[in-house]
Amino acid sequence: QVQLVQSGAEVKKPGASVKVSCNTSGYTFTSSRVTWVRQAPGQGLEWMGCINSYNNNTDYAQKFQGRVTMTTDTSTSTAYMELRSLRSDDTAVYYCARGITIFGVVRRFDPWGQGTLVTVSS
Amino acid sequence: QSALTQPPSASGSPGQSVTISCTGTSSDVGGYNYVSWYQQHPGKAPKLMIYEVTKRPSGVPDRFSGSKSGNTASLTVSGLQAEDEADYYCSSYAGSNNYVFGTGTKVTVL
Repeated sequence: QVQLVQSGAEVKKPGASVKVSCNTSGYTFTSSRVTWVRQAPGQGLEWMGCINSYNNNTDYAQKFQGRVTMTTDTSTSTAYMELRSLRSDDTAVYYCARGITIFGVVRRFDPWGQGTLVTVSS
Repeated sequence: QSALTQPPSASGSPGQSVTISCTGTSSDVGGYNYVSWYQQHPGKAPKLMIYEVTKRPSGVPDRFSGSKSGNTASLTVSGLQAEDEADYYCSSYAGSNNYVFGTGTKVTVL
């Protein structure tokens, strides 16, 4: 079955960077996009961006432009999300999800990884 | 891109129905039939319940249904069961390879 398994929790200081990995299995990695979504404590879901695993094209939410980089490693079917210049309000659970794409539009996010808690604290 | 608007909470007794709204604009919900709904239990990852407004993934009970009118999409849960108590989020394509989520609704089974 399709699975996305994320890396473990991280604690970072303000100003640092974090890189979260998302190891996928059970489907052809290059056939779908990988989407990243975050959820601050007690808050809702926030779309951060997507990467096309086939050609590495990325689309980032305007809020994260210049501070986020999404990459993939097709040899290991793994996606990565790096967020720089961390602030306390970046404390959140970060999720990856498979973006099932038809005619260039992600129709749904399914399934999701288990989430990675990133805590930003001095 | 502003979050889609959902009511903070909704509730119903077992066996009853509850409907959650998701209001956007003509640039997202109203402009595309790419609305999906996700269920999230506390401490768990979201789970896809409805996609492309009305379609249900295999394994999702037919008690869950979706619809859309204009700039507002809706999720209806019929025959409420205890395990339906969770947070629900809508999501929509917003053009130019951008996506937006709703503010979330906590469903309580009384």
